[in-house]
Amino acid sequence: EADIYQTPRYLVIGTGKKITLECSQTMGHDKMYWYQQDPGMELHLIHYSYGVNSTEKGDLSSESTVSRIRTEHFPLTLESARPSHTSQYLCASSEYLGSTGELFFGEGSRLTVL
Amino acid sequence: RKEVEQDPGPFNVPEGATVAFNCTYSNSASQSFFWYRQDCRKEPKLLMSVYSSGNEDGRFTAQLNRASQYISLLIRDSKLSDSATYLCVVNSNSGYALNFGKGTSLLVTP
Repeated sequence: EADIYQTPRYLVIGTGKKITLECSQTMGHDKMYWYQQDPGMELHLIHYSYGVNSTEKGDLSSESTVSRIRTEHFPLTLESARPSHTSQYLCASSEYLGSTGELFFGEGSRLTVL
Repeated sequence: RKEVEQDPGPFNVPEGATVAFNCTYSNSASQSFFWYRQDCRKEPKLLMSVYSSGNEDGRFTAQLNRASQYISLLIRDSKLSDSATYLCVVNSNSGYALNFGKGTSLLVTP
């Protein structure tokens, strides 16, 4: 089993609220990622990090921001949530700097913005 | 054009059947190829990597055709527990991450 954890698993909030989705891994992986997945659709990369103090935007534009102050922790923040942010957010990590390593996913955070 | 395109699903097959999924990718420079499995409302998990010479893992066989930019997954002797969505995954243009297909849904029935 992968040692990568996401909280909260489910969140229902009102428009305009600030939220932070937490992601932690205990595998010592340098690379971490956030993917967004709507039902029946493919995963889209929204953020990634090569290591501490490294963050980059992914292929899908997102209003969220991320930080990487510690190797094991990669939180995602939405300053002002909107209904269009309703989705499942999946955090992942991989051991290798290249893209050839296996991705280990957390169980996901399912966000609903009313 | 999407980076990774897969067979439309769902595939409904009886137990014991052989089923094949196909996938095409747009980036001819891609070097890494995988099949992931995603159960309903769960996270994706690696099923197998796909190597140039083709590779087999028990009942699962993956093939890669670089000339046609085509990947396949063959499942023999399907089990009920094989029911899931199978995601074709290819490394991105820039190489820093992986691109996922929408997935093909498989339902194995008794």
